[in-house]
Amino acid sequence: NAGVTQTPKFQVLKTGQSMTLQCAQDMNHEYMSWYRQDPGMGLRLIHYSVGAGITDQGEVPNGYNVSRSTTEDFPLRLLSAAPSQTSVYFCASSGQASNQPQHFGDGTRLSIL
Amino acid sequence: AQTVTQSQPEMSVQEAETVTLSCTYDTSESNYYLFWYKQPPSRQMILVIRQEAYKQQNATENRFSVNFQKAAKSFSLKISDSQLGDTAMYFCAFKTGANNLFFGTGTRLTVIP
Repeated sequence: NAGVTQTPKFQVLKTGQSMTLQCAQDMNHEYMSWYRQDPGMGLRLIHYSVGAGITDQGEVPNGYNVSRSTTEDFPLRLLSAAPSQTSVYFCASSGQASNQPQHFGDGTRLSIL
Repeated sequence: AQTVTQSQPEMSVQEAETVTLSCTYDTSESNYYLFWYKQPPSRQMILVIRQEAYKQQNATENRFSVNFQKAAKSFSLKISDSQLGDTAMYFCAFKTGANNLFFGTGTRLTVIP
């Protein structure tokens, strides 16, 4: 059981480049989300989705786009990377019920030069 | 707005001793869920324990237990018989019915042999 799979694990970009971080889950979870983790700030919610075709903004959505065409996949797109987007990105998924814990991927370390 | 506060950026404990990590939160919701996640140097986010706000009984998972004080909005984590493998960042997190997690800034715990 793979759980939540994120690719790539590491990436270096130049300012202005575009990039898609991939996230896939095989648990048939309806809820999926993206967080960024910065030093001293914990994890902050970027975007989330409660099902295929439905997405919404989290706490820090600016500079990021998402789509959810299937239950399994929830890619995060950076259209024009900026140094402020240097961070570790985590994808998570859970069942729809509120008492379900979120399962996290292993993270993507992204550096923008 | 939901906020989670972890006031101890770093803590240390001797192996086999007991340590308590503090967490307070603020919300106007009546039904919510609280979680502690562990993040070892491998960067994985691992669920340690969870508590449902409507349950008065404190959750316990082996050496990990919580002290949940709903009126005080406090949710501390106690680790008994600390082991070297407990060395990690620990994040307190809060979730409402919307399924989105709000994280504290974390406590870095070091277990000293």
